[in-house]
Amino acid sequence: AQSVAQPEDQVNVAEGNPLTVKCTYSVSGNPYLFWYVQYPNRGLQFLLKYITGDNLVKGSYGFEAEFNKSQTSFHLKKPSALVSDSALYFCAVRDEKQAGTALIFGKGTTLSVSS
Amino acid sequence: EAGVAQSPRYKIIEKRQSVAFWCNPISGHATLYWYQQILGQGPKLLIQFQNNGVVDDSQLPKDRFSAERLKGVDSTLKIQPAKLEDSAVYLCASSLTQSPGGAGRGGYTFGSGTRLTVV
Repeated sequence: AQSVAQPEDQVNVAEGNPLTVKCTYSVSGNPYLFWYVQYPNRGLQFLLKYITGDNLVKGSYGFEAEFNKSQTSFHLKKPSALVSDSALYFCAVRDEKQAGTALIFGKGTTLSVSS
Repeated sequence: EAGVAQSPRYKIIEKRQSVAFWCNPISGHATLYWYQQILGQGPKLLIQFQNNGVVDDSQLPKDRFSAERLKGVDSTLKIQPAKLEDSAVYLCASSLTQSPGGAGRGGYTFGSGTRLTVV
């Protein structure tokens, strides 16, 4: 069965420092991987995705993520954090072999950036 | 383009009452999803429609939940009777196709959700 793990409930970083939000996955086929961000009382907003190709994916707001097949990971990164990046981040996966197109989401990681 | 519209934004009901949520997807988006997001958890798929047909409802508690998308556009999700554990945010999302691309350019767009509190 497909699954996504976000091992950290919360990540705290200082503004200007690099940030990493971790994600690991489990699928039977090749994965399609996504990161979403959720601000309070808002829906999920798409950040970036990996379908195929280059393992380093660049997305919105300066975020990037690296697909590592051997470690089954897709960690979200940003070189320099902003206070406005503080939000709830979700990693999601879809198995290329599954019939539908719905995503399996992790439980989320709260990112807190201090000034 | 207009986003995915959901209403109401908030709803408080007593257990055993019924409630309905409405979703209007982005114009032209054939695929529509309902997700349930319980506090502290990631969204969980309840049902996926392709036009007005059901693609996946394996995680929908069919004894109390129902959903329809009669004309392949708007959708309603109903709970009857509600239980305390149904307290959650109900998110609607739509996508242009069933391509693996997910969000972005023709992929998933989420609405702001309906926050349901069952007391």
